[in-house]
Amino acid sequence: EVQLVESGGGLVQPGGSLRLSCAASGFTFSSYWMSWVRQAPGKGLEWVANINQDGSDKYYVDSVKGRFTISRDNAKNSLYLQMNSLRAEDTAVFYCARDQGGDYIDYWGQGTLVTVSS
Amino acid sequence: QVVLTQSPSASASLGASVKLTCTLSSGHSSYAIAWHQQQPEKGPRYLMKLISDGSHYRGDGIPDRFSGSSSGAERYLTISSLQSEDEADYYCQTWGTGIWVFGGGTKLTVL
Repeated sequence: EVQLVESGGGLVQPGGSLRLSCAASGFTFSSYWMSWVRQAPGKGLEWVANINQDGSDKYYVDSVKGRFTISRDNAKNSLYLQMNSLRAEDTAVFYCARDQGGDYIDYWGQGTLVTVSS
Repeated sequence: QVVLTQSPSASASLGASVKLTCTLSSGHSSYAIAWHQQQPEKGPRYLMKLISDGSHYRGDGIPDRFSGSSSGAERYLTISSLQSEDEADYYCQTWGTGIWVFGGGTKLTVL
């Protein structure tokens, strides 16, 4: 069974940093693109970033470029999102997701809440 | 850049069928999409991949009450024999080179 379990969310002040983690199991992690998607309170889904199988290709939504970094550790079956210079508008539930060939998402985690507030 | 447009809301009666629409922006009518369901207070769930010829590929455990079809730039999700647990937000998603896009979502109410 495919499982994606996010952790690392919490309350952080504007300008601060946070690192999200996603532990993957039930599939060959190193064979898949992976994504982060976020959902602000009461809003829709927004793709944030994704990364290819060996980490050599990374893409970001414009609003996080230069502030967020996606990475992975295939030996640990883990995906990460380093978030710096956080803003109030980054407040959201962040979901880890598995991509099929860098195209569509076919599995989602349960999400972790990030709140940026003073 | 591709844009996906969805109606904000839809409603249908228990046991009936409903057809939700996702419209691809001009110049992108050949794109495939995926449909995702998000029940209240839960994470999203992948329903199916839908390509321009109407072929669709459901995710693991998705019942055949959920089906997809296509016409031009429009992609449809049809849910038949509506159940109370189908009350949810439904999002379409597509992808291009270096960009992944979601529609704004449709909130389905089961009456």
